[in-house]
Amino acid sequence: EAGVAQSPRYKIIEKRQSVAFWCNPISGHATLYWYQQILGQGPKLLIQFQNNGVVDDSQLPKDRFSAERLKGVDSTLKIQPAKLEDSAVYLCASSLVVGMGGDEQFFGPGTRLTVL
Amino acid sequence: GENVEQHPSTLSVQEGDSAVIKCTYSDSASNYFPWYKQELGKGPQLIIDIRSNVGEKKDQRIAVTLNKTAKHFSLHITETQPEDSAVYFCAPTGIGGSNYKLTFGKGTLLTVNP
Repeated sequence: EAGVAQSPRYKIIEKRQSVAFWCNPISGHATLYWYQQILGQGPKLLIQFQNNGVVDDSQLPKDRFSAERLKGVDSTLKIQPAKLEDSAVYLCASSLVVGMGGDEQFFGPGTRLTVL
Repeated sequence: GENVEQHPSTLSVQEGDSAVIKCTYSDSASNYFPWYKQELGKGPQLIIDIRSNVGEKKDQRIAVTLNKTAKHFSLHITETQPEDSAVYFCAPTGIGGSNYKLTFGKGTLLTVNP
C-alpha cells in the first residue's frame, strides 16, 4: 500500500514570497491533516479536513496560510507571504476513519521549508 | 487545551539496555494515549497506543503503561537496538471529545549506542 506522498521535499524562499505544498493521502482515507513541525518541537495541527470539508482550522494563521482539499483527495497548503518564523517541516497525514481521535494517523515525509 | 510534557528530552543507552520515556498530561478527559516514533527525515509513525480502559499494553519489545489517576503514561523499550534511535513523541487525546486532536509533546531523542 502506497503511503502519504508529499512534494516538494525541500523548498527555500525569500521572506514575503509565496509557496505551496502538495499532499496525496493514502487511497480511501477520509481525513487529512496538515501539521507544522518547528525544529526541536512536536508537530502542531494546522488544519484538518474530512473528505473535502474543513473540520478544524483553529490553529491556522488565516491571514497568510490557506489550504484546500479538492474532490476529497489531494490537498494543497499555501503560505503567502512567508515570514522567517514559517521555517519548519510541513507534514501531511491521513487517517481512514472520521478524525475524532483514536485512529492511527499515517504521516508523509514532510516538506522542509526554509525562509531567508 | 492539553498541556503535555515529556521526560527526559534526551536519552542515551547502550545496546541491549532498557529505555523509559514518561509523558505527563493535564486534561483528565484524555482517553487515548499513542506513542509515535520519528526517524530522521521521515514523518512520525505510530508504534503503540493504549486506551483508558487498559493499564498496560505490550508489543514485542515495546510496552506502554498508563496511570490515569496521576495523569501520566510511559513508553518502555527493552533490549534496545541501534534502529530504535529516533525521536519519540507522546500525543494524549480525548476520543470524540473536545480535545480529540493529537497534541504532541516536545519529543525525546533516544540514542542507542552499539
